[in-house]
Amino acid sequence: EAQVTQNPRYLITVTGKKLTVTCSQNMNHEYMSWYRQDPGLGLRQIYYSMNVEVTDKGDVPEGYKVSRKEKRNFPLILESPSPNQTSLYFCASSPTTTDTQYFGPGTRLTVL
Amino acid sequence: AQSVTQLGSHVSVSEGALVLLRCNYSSSVPPYLFWYVQYPNQGLQLLLKYTSAATLVKGINGFEAEFKKSETSFHLTKPSAHMSDAAEYFCAVSEGNNDMRFGAGTRLTVKP
Repeated sequence: EAQVTQNPRYLITVTGKKLTVTCSQNMNHEYMSWYRQDPGLGLRQIYYSMNVEVTDKGDVPEGYKVSRKEKRNFPLILESPSPNQTSLYFCASSPTTTDTQYFGPGTRLTVL
Repeated sequence: AQSVTQLGSHVSVSEGALVLLRCNYSSSVPPYLFWYVQYPNQGLQLLLKYTSAATLVKGINGFEAEFKKSETSFHLTKPSAHMSDAAEYFCAVSEGNNDMRFGAGTRLTVKP
């Protein structure tokens, strides 16, 4: 089954404790992206990747890091999480930026 | 850079009534336009997309949208609402330049 998986689905952590949210797709897509969803703000892009070893900042990259060492995986790293990073995070993939994006189920992160 | 405005954060209709969700975009080049739907506790899934082939685009579940360049609009409609249509709807625009911009979303409520 074609899908985008994210782990964990739910995470509660404390300020400053490094964490990684994993994202994996099995559709051989070139393009992958991370978004955060906040009430009233819709989805805002954090980082995106056009291909292996090619990543770039989206609209809200501060406080986040990503890597793309393999085509299928695109982890999101929070080196020192802060409460303003409490949000719902989605990973997505697509063949190109103008194609349909396939979204993961989301990761709800709470930073205390 | 491209942007999207969704008019109305909440829309409520009766079952069987017309659904109209409004989206206006800003783009310096011919855009790619999308409507996504998000059901509770799920990721986003594509309803339909415009890629310049035809101005009236038909999607899944009886939804359609019309691209109007003169009005810079891409409103989503459905002739007769069903209870299962209750969800949050997002309009999105891409200029093919590696990023996708989403609107703030419109929550659709369907009353019996």
